[in-house]
Amino acid sequence: DTAVSQTPKYLVTQMGNDKSIKCEQNLGHDTMYWYKQDSKKFLKIMFSYNNKELIINETVPNRFSPKSPDKAHLNLHINSLELGDSAVYFCASSQATGSSYEQYFGPGTRLTVT
Amino acid sequence: GNSVTQMEGPVTLSEEAFLTINCTYTATGYPSLFWYVQYPGEGLQLLLKATKADDKGSNKGFEATYRKETTSFHLEKGSVQVSDSAVYFCALSATGAGSYQLTFGKGTKLSVIP
Repeated sequence: DTAVSQTPKYLVTQMGNDKSIKCEQNLGHDTMYWYKQDSKKFLKIMFSYNNKELIINETVPNRFSPKSPDKAHLNLHINSLELGDSAVYFCASSQATGSSYEQYFGPGTRLTVT
Repeated sequence: GNSVTQMEGPVTLSEEAFLTINCTYTATGYPSLFWYVQYPGEGLQLLLKATKADDKGSNKGFEATYRKETTSFHLEKGSVQVSDSAVYFCALSATGAGSYQLTFGKGTKLSVIP
């Protein structure tokens, strides 16, 4: 009964390749997110989708493209991978309840670009 | 804009020591405040939250009080265990437009030694 799941957990690939990371949530939430966590553990929001519509698109290279086929899924596709893309990528979801917008995180995908 | 400042880590404590991790914030309106914990190799988990001034969030022996007058939400635990070793993130969600978005601090790594 995993709430937010991501696949794959580990991804090792070479520079220049294209890869995708998938995310699914079974919490019935209407908003999903992608974060990047660097080696110093700093979390940076990349994208957010609300009801399948993009609502946050931070300064991220256009090699990164999110896709939300439905409210329960938010995938991240990365073109022409670079060494600097190596990081842990987290998917999260949330649902507005009153004044609290707590987010639930997936286990992360560790991407290593060689 | 909104921001969260946490004490720099790493923090190393002996088992059964008292823990305080400071967190202060800048935000307009009345944000909700959160502490998340990230155990090694895992995603972030919500540890506790507070949605209005003077609220105290608590979980697993940890607690934090929402202090509007000092714009703080310090995390405390009376007696830490080795299993508490993790990275702790303070976060806020603001009110109004964009309130679904969390602003995270940079994280504080805690190591508890036997």
